[in-house]
Amino acid sequence: DAKTTQPTSMDCAEGRAANLPCNHSTISGNEYVYWYRQIHSQGPQYIIHGLKNNETNEMASLIITEDRKSSTLILPHATLRDTAVYYCIVRPASGGSYIPTFGRGTSLIVHP
Amino acid sequence: DAGITQSPRHKVTETGTPVTLRCHQTENHRYMYWYRQDPGHGLRLIHYSYGVKDTDKGEVSDGYSVSRSKTEDFLLTLESATSSQTSVYFCAISEGAEYYGYTFGSGTRLTVV
Repeated sequence: DAKTTQPTSMDCAEGRAANLPCNHSTISGNEYVYWYRQIHSQGPQYIIHGLKNNETNEMASLIITEDRKSSTLILPHATLRDTAVYYCIVRPASGGSYIPTFGRGTSLIVHP
Repeated sequence: DAGITQSPRHKVTETGTPVTLRCHQTENHRYMYWYRQDPGHGLRLIHYSYGVKDTDKGEVSDGYSVSRSKTEDFLLTLESATSSQTSVYFCAISEGAEYYGYTFGSGTRLTVV
């Protein structure tokens, strides 16, 4: 199954854009890219997902490269509350029985 | 998260005792999952269910059993708790369709002394 690679940690200044990369070079054509984040001691929270087009919602933007082998989650104006662990996973569209690997994610620290 | 609750939120138990954690959903989702999370590790899958009475093992299933007698409830049992099972346990649900992804509960912090 496709797996993802993310940097262990990143930091960002408050008010600046945070760009979190994810490599998924073995992604299959029917697999979506999902991003979640986990704020300390809480359950992971869904952020955004996409297949091949760039996506934007009220929380973030997702940029997927044309070859779909990598993506970037963009928090346009990071706040201190965005400090969290961010997970990138891939899963098929109808993949209820598909168990993705969440891995360790990227620990993002937003500093004043 | 709305639609999924875990109980208890915190529990301290003694080594050797059985413990059952409960995950309850009101979303009527088909798939339910139990993960554990420990410092230095990501989320590791213990067991999952793809329907009533249909369950399967994850990567760290030793020492754990599960049951799902109703769509809305997924129980995780530690048959004889050990200190290595001290962890934070998360339940997740999924419908399996692209636009749902996974919804996680708030977690149960279990300490085995």
